[in-house]
Amino acid sequence: GNSVTQMEGPVTLSEEAFLTINCTYTATGYPSLFWYVQYPGEGLQLLLKATKADDKGSNKGFEATYRKETTSFHLEKGSVQVSDSAVYFCALPNSGYSTLTFGKGTMLLVSP
Amino acid sequence: SQTIHQWPATLVQPVGSPLSLECTVEGTSNPNLYWYRQAAGRGLQLLFYSVGIGQISSEVPQNLSASRPQDRQFILSSKKLLLSDSGFYLCAWSQRGGGQPQHFGDGTRLSIL
Repeated sequence: GNSVTQMEGPVTLSEEAFLTINCTYTATGYPSLFWYVQYPGEGLQLLLKATKADDKGSNKGFEATYRKETTSFHLEKGSVQVSDSAVYFCALPNSGYSTLTFGKGTMLLVSP
Repeated sequence: SQTIHQWPATLVQPVGSPLSLECTVEGTSNPNLYWYRQAAGRGLQLLFYSVGIGQISSEVPQNLSASRPQDRQFILSSKKLLLSDSGFYLCAWSQRGGGQPQHFGDGTRLSIL
């Protein structure tokens, strides 16, 4: 079945630093890809998505490009803020498309 | 716009007591519905999902059960809670059709004493 691998965290950055969180996937076909964010004590929120190869999803300064050649969907942000401290999940539909497969999550800690 | 409601927000229950967590979705029809558990740490474990009224798929065999009595209502239950049932429970919904994103509720923090 489809699977996703995320870099282990925590990722610790200073405010205004550049962020990359790696995500690679294995999948049958070319499914949509998603990034979710979970702030402390809250549910997951859809951060961005891409539906086909070379698509770039973007939201709140975050970006991720659907790379078919490298089967990757890395999350980037040019200048992080303390308020970006959260856990980030990469996800894609399972091979049956009824459910999503989530990565294990990467915790981001941003200090002032 | 669509909204998802999940309650209660926090719950403290003794071992062996029953459980009922409720989730409702507004603003959409015929959604897929999901229950997840998130133990200490951050990984998500899919417990149940439903593609229609009365249709429940179980991903993990355990002492929990789920029901979908109405199109936009999803209930997670247990007859007797175990210590290992502690965790953060999340309900989610998605549109029908392949590869749709899921949208999550605010979660229920369940502590078993």
